[in-house]
Amino acid sequence: NAGVTQTPKFQVLKTGQSMTLQCAQDMNHEYMSWYRQDPGMGLRLIHYSVGAGITDQGEVPNGYNVSRSTTEDFPLRLLSAAPSQTSVYFCASSYQQGTYEQYFGPGTRLTVT
Amino acid sequence: AQSVTQPDIHITVSEGASLELRCNYSYGATPYLFWYVQSPGQGLQLLLKYFSGDTLVQGIKGFEAEFKRSQSSFNLRKPSVHWSDAAEYFCAVINAGGTSYGKLTFGQGTILTVHP
Repeated sequence: NAGVTQTPKFQVLKTGQSMTLQCAQDMNHEYMSWYRQDPGMGLRLIHYSVGAGITDQGEVPNGYNVSRSTTEDFPLRLLSAAPSQTSVYFCASSYQQGTYEQYFGPGTRLTVT
Repeated sequence: AQSVTQPDIHITVSEGASLELRCNYSYGATPYLFWYVQSPGQGLQLLLKYFSGDTLVQGIKGFEAEFKRSQSSFNLRKPSVHWSDAAEYFCAVINAGGTSYGKLTFGQGTILTVHP
């Protein structure tokens, strides 16, 4: 079991560029989510998905898109990168939506210049 | 709305000393609480969780936490800290109902430094 994997580990973008952060899990988890981590703010929920084909917004969704075509994958798209999106991004998954432990990936450190 | 507060941004202890990291939550119903640890450059690892039952829960790496409903607290403790415990610690509560069902809310984190 690889658990939750994320690629790339590091990325530098210029303002206005777009990119996709990849997330995959091999635990057959229904629930997947994306968080961003900023100093002194903990982790904040960007988007989440309760199953293939179903996504919803979290606390800070602006500037990000998601889709869930398979159970395993949950990519996060930055449409037009801004310096305010400089952050560390974590993907997480859990068995189902609800009171279940969430397993986190290793993170992607993104810098937007 | 649910919220989690970790009052201490940074704590420094000597190796071998005891440790207590504070966590206060605001949640209308019975909370489902977690402590996660993040080592530098790593993802988050679950230390322990409280769902119900015994209010003193044991976790990995010798950590324990005590749920106190009257104080809305879920403090993390370790009797003797090791240098490898240096990391950032996050308290979190999960929403067990309503429109935010399954949403995990994190505290701001506490950075632990361990002196030899």
